[in-house]
Amino acid sequence: EPEVTQTPSHQVTQMGQEVILRCVPISNHLYFYWYRQILGQKVEFLVSFYNNEISEKSEIFDDQFSVERPDGSNFTLKIRSTKLEDSAMYFCASSDRGTSGRSLWEQYFGPGTRLTVT
Amino acid sequence: DQQVKQNSPSLSVQEGRISILNCDYTNSMFDYFLWYKKYPAEGPTFLISISSIKDKNEDGRFTVFLNKSAKHLSLHIVPSQPGDSAVYFCAASYTGNQFYFGTGTSLTVIP
Repeated sequence: EPEVTQTPSHQVTQMGQEVILRCVPISNHLYFYWYRQILGQKVEFLVSFYNNEISEKSEIFDDQFSVERPDGSNFTLKIRSTKLEDSAMYFCASSDRGTSGRSLWEQYFGPGTRLTVT
Repeated sequence: DQQVKQNSPSLSVQEGRISILNCDYTNSMFDYFLWYKKYPAEGPTFLISISSIKDKNEDGRFTVFLNKSAKHLSLHIVPSQPGDSAVYFCAASYTGNQFYFGTGTSLTVIP
């Protein structure tokens, strides 16, 4: 079964550094998402992306964050200047919005990248 | 931001019995509701969804019930199996893009 992959699985960075988290969504999916989960807390929506533009973003997704689909397969999340509070598990997800016959809102999640900011 | 709440952090159920996981929400604009299951070190896996025009949706052993007047949904798993042991998240949206997640309920099914 096709799956969403994410690299790296764990990223350690120093405060103030830029990080890029990478995701390869399922190949025929057109809708892409980033979420984060701070340890012990709930999963939080960051941003959704469709047709090469952001379709929706949360309050968390401020100017420090950006997303890009640089080619036909990758979907990246960049944090320009990391803060300690950015330490979390970051999940990428993709969806075909029901074109495969499954639920319209089903999103397929990757295994996550654990970001540790020191 | 506590728009979606799961008030039970954990639940233990005997194998073969029914598991009932509950979720409450505050935003009456929510139209779409999902349940996800999550194992450690993995991303959430979609289980079942329901839209606000329905009050029940069933998929195999999983049934989701929606009570709009009470702003409450529940997930029933019958019969429960040890492999169902995981953290279950409910999520809600009014746009179909941004989903608000609950804090999760850790289900343990005892063989």
